[in-house]
Amino acid sequence: DGGITQSPKYLFRKEGQNVTLSCEQNLNHDAMYWYRQDPGQGLRLIYYSQIVNDFQKGDIAEGYSVSREKKESFPLTVTSAQKNPTAFYLCASSMGTGSDVVDGYTFGSGTRLTVV
Amino acid sequence: QKEVEQNSGPLSVPEGAIASLNCTYSDRGSQSFFWYRQYSGKSPELIMFIYSNGDKEDGRFTAQLNKASQYVSLLIRDSQPSDSATYLCAVIASNSGYSTLTFGKGTMLLVSP
Repeated sequence: DGGITQSPKYLFRKEGQNVTLSCEQNLNHDAMYWYRQDPGQGLRLIYYSQIVNDFQKGDIAEGYSVSREKKESFPLTVTSAQKNPTAFYLCASSMGTGSDVVDGYTFGSGTRLTVV
Repeated sequence: QKEVEQNSGPLSVPEGAIASLNCTYSDRGSQSFFWYRQYSGKSPELIMFIYSNGDKEDGRFTAQLNKASQYVSLLIRDSQPSDSATYLCAVIASNSGYSTLTFGKGTMLLVSP
């Protein structure tokens, strides 16, 4: 079955530590996205990528980094510069980009990151 | 700043009633509109999308779009307890290849048996 796989499901980070969240899709989608969700908040865009080796900052990119070396993979690194990283992180993908997206984004099951 | 506004709720309805969820958006150039359902602790799943003014029906769900009023709504007929979730409105603004989905904060729906 095609889909998006995020791992790990739960992740604990110590102060000052960098951690990397994995996102892999086998939908042959062109674009991939990372969103952050805090309690009582909507989804806020961190980074997105429309093609391999290219990505753009979203609304809250500070303290995060990404790479897109393969079409299937879009890992997110939460760096020590991110002062409040505890949140639910969601990876998504879409066949088209921008206004060509005709059926929305498909989401992975998410990674819940907690600072300890 | 493109904004999508929703009443946070909770919206409480009895089983079998019609639930009406509303959303307004700020960017008049918005092209595509989506409703996602999110159960507690889970990821969002797409329920409906709509691009043209008017109504679009899919089973118990009806999406309504009024671009002049910058308003989109979701009606759920014959509401079931399993419909209890947070409903997220999302919009792709403007006719640009770099546009991305902007989400509202969601409305929590509670359907009581």
